[in-house]
Amino acid sequence: DTAVSQTPKYLVTQMGNDKSIKCEQNLGHDTMYWYKQDSKKFLKIMFSYNNKELIINETVPNRFSPKSPDKAHLNLHINSLELGDSAVYFCASSQDQGPGDYTEAFFGQGTRLTVV
Amino acid sequence: AQKVTQAQTEISVVEKEDVTLDCVYETRDTTYYLFWYKQPPSGELVFLIRRNSFDEQNEISGRYSWNFQKSTSSFNFTITASQVVDSAVYFCALSDPFWGQGGKLIFGQGTELSVKP
Repeated sequence: DTAVSQTPKYLVTQMGNDKSIKCEQNLGHDTMYWYKQDSKKFLKIMFSYNNKELIINETVPNRFSPKSPDKAHLNLHINSLELGDSAVYFCASSQDQGPGDYTEAFFGQGTRLTVV
Repeated sequence: AQKVTQAQTEISVVEKEDVTLDCVYETRDTTYYLFWYKQPPSGELVFLIRRNSFDEQNEISGRYSWNFQKSTSSFNFTITASQVVDSAVYFCALSDPFWGQGGKLIFGQGTELSVKP
């Protein structure tokens, strides 16, 4: 069973379109994230949610909107796509296991978004 | 501000050589986590190790070993007797103070390791 799964794996779309990427984790984790990996492989946080509450929104254009319908899902919706949005987007989750004991981030397989 | 530096952008070795990937971090926090992830050509991010700031013991897992030194703010990763399957981009990461409650990981730039047969 895949722990963190994202769909689709590849997404090719035209500029100006709106698209969504879905993410689901079956690990029972409380925290979920979206990271962006640019063409130089640099990984940067976009959003984090803890118990469905938005914690981090890191200087991301408001064309990007995360939605967490429940703790197991964190979807990413992108409006009016631009060429510069082309990247790999990773969903991840982690868990607080008790005082001072936190897991690593478990990553999905990534979604390669290409805007043409 | 927190920062992770992986000064080696690319490393190329021949199979069976030992190779060390450097990671230097900056933080003012006393409690933090350090991680290493591997990203093979297939693109997924594979977790390798997690170390908290209070545990400076070195770790060995098969051909992999990690050396954590708080005095030099380094968390280096050594692959012994490298194999072609070790070819990947390796990322070192540092947790922010809110890790566990929605905090983030700060990643280094990655080191691309190429192991030639």
